Amino acid sequence: GDSVTQMEGPVTLSEEAFLTINCTYTATGYPSLFWYVQYPGEGLQLLLKATKADDKGSNKGFEATYRKETTSFHLEKGSVQVSDSAVYFCALKGSSNTGKLIFGQGTTLQVKP
Amino acid sequence: DAGITQSPRHKVTETGTPVTLRCHQTENHRYMYWYRQDPGHGLRLIHYSYGVKDTDKGEVSDGYSVSRSKTEDFLLTLESATSSQTSVYFCAISESTRLAGGETQYFGPGTRLLVL
Repeated sequence: GDSVTQMEGPVTLSEEAFLTINCTYTATGYPSLFWYVQYPGEGLQLLLKATKADDKGSNKGFEATYRKETTSFHLEKGSVQVSDSAVYFCALKGSSNTGKLIFGQGTTLQVKP
Repeated sequence: DAGITQSPRHKVTETGTPVTLRCHQTENHRYMYWYRQDPGHGLRLIHYSYGVKDTDKGEVSDGYSVSRSKTEDFLLTLESATSSQTSVYFCAISESTRLAGGETQYFGPGTRLLVL
């Protein structure tokens, strides 16, 4: 079945460092791919998405490119801030009609001043 | 922000008692979902609804039931709570399941449930 694998955390970076969080997926057909962010004590917020191969999603300085050849959707940011500290989830929506999301296990990012 | 509320936000209960969690939306979206979040597992789908009185099981539905009598409300019931159901529960909504933007899911703030 469909699945998502994220890199293990926590990831600890200094402010202004470059961020990469790896995400790979297994799915039949042509899934849509998402990154959600969860700040402490809050629900999940959509960060960005891509719905077809080679699409690049971007928001708040974060980017991710849908790479079908490597089945990946890695999240990147050129210069992280302390306020980016959160848990990041990669997710896919498969080709079924249910609309359900399959999530990775989440990656905790800690940014230190 | 999408208009999604969950109640209660926190609950402590004892093993064997019934528990009902409520999700309320003001967006008139057709699809509603219940997920649970556990360390190391991300979020996993419990049940979902594709319309009033139309529901189906997700991947971790054992021990849970749902009901949707109105578009805006989606209830999750633990018939007899167990310690393994201690978790954070999130409701989500989406306008559709198709592409072109409508498939994005928006999440509520979560309910933290502790079963002793």
